[in-house]
Amino acid sequence: SQQGEEDPQALSIQEGENATMNCSYKTSINNLQWYRQNSGRGLVHLILIRSNEREKHSGRLRVTLDTSKKSSSLLITASRAADTASYFCATDAMNRDDKNIFGKGTRLHILP
Amino acid sequence: DAGVTQSPTHLIKTRGQQVTLRCSPKSGHDTVSWYQQALGQGPQFIFQYYEEEERQRGNFPDRFSGHQFPNYSSELNVNALLLGDSALYLCASSLFGEGGRTEAFFGQGTRLTVV
Repeated sequence: SQQGEEDPQALSIQEGENATMNCSYKTSINNLQWYRQNSGRGLVHLILIRSNEREKHSGRLRVTLDTSKKSSSLLITASRAADTASYFCATDAMNRDDKNIFGKGTRLHILP
Repeated sequence: DAGVTQSPTHLIKTRGQQVTLRCSPKSGHDTVSWYQQALGQGPQFIFQYYEEEERQRGNFPDRFSGHQFPNYSSELNVNALLLGDSALYLCASSLFGEGGRTEAFFGQGTRLTVV
């Protein structure tokens, strides 16, 4: 089963605007993580939110988690050119039979 | 404190050959996961190793195998390479503790090209 489906697939915004991307998953989780990947390189962990948390902040990043809807959102405020990257969510599922699977990601492009 | 290191960074192999990729986890981590990422796609889970055993596996054929050593480092082996195995192979390490696993730290990947 596909865990972690990001939406939208691609997003282009002007520098300085806020960017919001969403993630949906299917099973009960211990936590959910967001990652950034610059072109062809390894993923960089951004933020982890536990199942008993509803919102978490880290600098310009704000993550929300709604376990009743099995969804999460990542908000990047005051976007910068350096934020141009692909963003992925991944879950640590409670059921160890559920695989930690990434979606195709959201490709964010910040326009100058 | 070194993060996750993978070797080699790039590799070109011929169809039908075998390849071994290596990963050293972040210091203090005990779990290693391997992913395959084709161009324009998200990482696809191959398998995860914990306590030197394969704990979870994705939808990959038996040509993909692995190993974890007592020092937590890991190898990914792919036999009978196909052109479709060309991809970026990512290794991620994490720590299993209360409340589940910690966030995963990724290496920079090994770019495998099969010709």
